[in-house]
Amino acid sequence: DAKTTQPPSMDCAEGRAANLPCNHSTISGNEYVYWYRQIHSQGPQYIIHGLKNNETNEMASLIITEDRKSSTLILPHATLRDTAVYYCIVSGGGADGLTFGKGTHLIIQP
Amino acid sequence: GAVVSQHPSWVICKSGTSVKIECRSLDFQATTMFWYRQFPKQSLMLMATSNEGSKATYEQGVEKDKFLINHASLTLSTLTVTSAHPEDSSFYICSARAQGTGELFFGEGSRLTVL
Repeated sequence: DAKTTQPPSMDCAEGRAANLPCNHSTISGNEYVYWYRQIHSQGPQYIIHGLKNNETNEMASLIITEDRKSSTLILPHATLRDTAVYYCIVSGGGADGLTFGKGTHLIIQP
Repeated sequence: GAVVSQHPSWVICKSGTSVKIECRSLDFQATTMFWYRQFPKQSLMLMATSNEGSKATYEQGVEKDKFLINHASLTLSTLTVTSAHPEDSSFYICSARAQGTGELFFGEGSRLTVL
């Protein structure tokens, strides 16, 4: 699986949009971009995934650049409960497990 | 949504004893389950891949005789930490890949403390 690079931490004010960047310059054509988050002492929670097109669901939006070398996860109206470590993972989705990097610790400030 | 349940959610044991952690897919069948370990302030590290009815595949550096994995059915995988020592204290997380859709779901984790 391709490697991803994320900032170690970010702050965001409550109620504002949180934009979390991820670089995956070595992504291959059949690999998806997945985003998970982990709230302290819990298992990872799936957020969203995409291949080429931008995606949106009830939790977030995923913007993937045209060359697919980077992406941004957008939490449109961050709340205190969105404080967590966010992992950007690139995977072909086959039989292998996901490889987690260090992620971004997002802290939502009141 | 699909649920993966781990039991126990936390356990404290004495050094030298063995501890079993269960991972169940509650409303779907999982041909493949994965076991991760997470130390404080670190990311999840994949330990092994477990396929129903066959031997688990361990990642480099993970002792297969110490971390016994059994995947006897399509809804249950177990991880047994044998002769546990304080350095085995960690957060153990399983994930299950749904048969058919291939979606991946994570359990809530099991925190092991070895005294």
